[in-house]
Amino acid sequence: AQSVTQLDSHVSVSEGTPVLLRCNYSSSYSPSLFWYVQHPNKGLQLLLKYTSAATLVKGINGFEAEFKKSETSFHLTKPSAHMSDAAEYFCVVRLMNTGFQKLVFGTGTRLLVSP
Amino acid sequence: DAGVIQSPRHEVTEMGQEVTLRCKLISGHNSLFWYRQTMMRGLELLIYFNNNVPIDDSGMPEDRFSAKMPNASFSTLKIQPSEPRDSAVYFCASSLELAGTTNEQFFGPGTRLTVL
Repeated sequence: AQSVTQLDSHVSVSEGTPVLLRCNYSSSYSPSLFWYVQHPNKGLQLLLKYTSAATLVKGINGFEAEFKKSETSFHLTKPSAHMSDAAEYFCVVRLMNTGFQKLVFGTGTRLLVSP
Repeated sequence: DAGVIQSPRHEVTEMGQEVTLRCKLISGHNSLFWYRQTMMRGLELLIYFNNNVPIDDSGMPEDRFSAKMPNASFSTLKIQPSEPRDSAVYFCASSLELAGTTNEQFFGPGTRLTVL
C-alpha cells in the first residue's frame, strides 16, 4: 500500500534560517509525490510535485524538494524562512493502483516561524 | 477564474438537522473531490467524481452522507441527520484528469461545519 509519513508534527525556525520538513514514502510503484501548504483558515495550495522527471523539484515561494529513492524520502526545504511561510504543510502520494488521481495525505507538519 | 467556490463558508446547526454543502468546480475541470479535515483524523477523502460519475465513495462515513453532481460544474454533499461528530472542515477540490498525466487538485476555501 502507498503511504507517506511526516516525521515531525511541528517544526520551529527563526526568520532567515533554513527550513527542512521531512517526509518518507512507501510505495511499490514509482510514486507521484506532492507537497501542499495550508495557511490558517484557508484551503490547500500545491507547492510542488514530483512525477519521475527531475529528482530535484522546484516549487513556489522558494521551496524545493528532492526525491531520493534510496532513502524513500521527499523532504521539503527552503534556504531562508519568511514569516509568511508559517502554515501547515502536507506531504501527499498519489495512489497508482487506479486510473484516477486519488491522493493520500500525510498527517501534516506545522511550521512556526519566529522573528 | 474564481477558483473552486464553496458555500456556505461557515455552518452552525443542531444535531438532527439536514446540512447541505455546495461546491462549484473550476470551469473545464472534470473531476471533483470531497474531503473532510479534523484534528483527530487529518484530511480524509470522502468521495470523488469523474465526468459526473462517482468513482470511489469508500471514504463516505455512513449512509447519513450523500453526494451528487447534478451537472458538470456543481456538486452537493448532504448530511442527514447531522451529528456532533460530523463537525469538521469540509473541502471540495477539482482537477482536470487526463490519461497518463498527474494534475494538480485545486482546493476551495472549505466549509467549517459545527453541529451542536
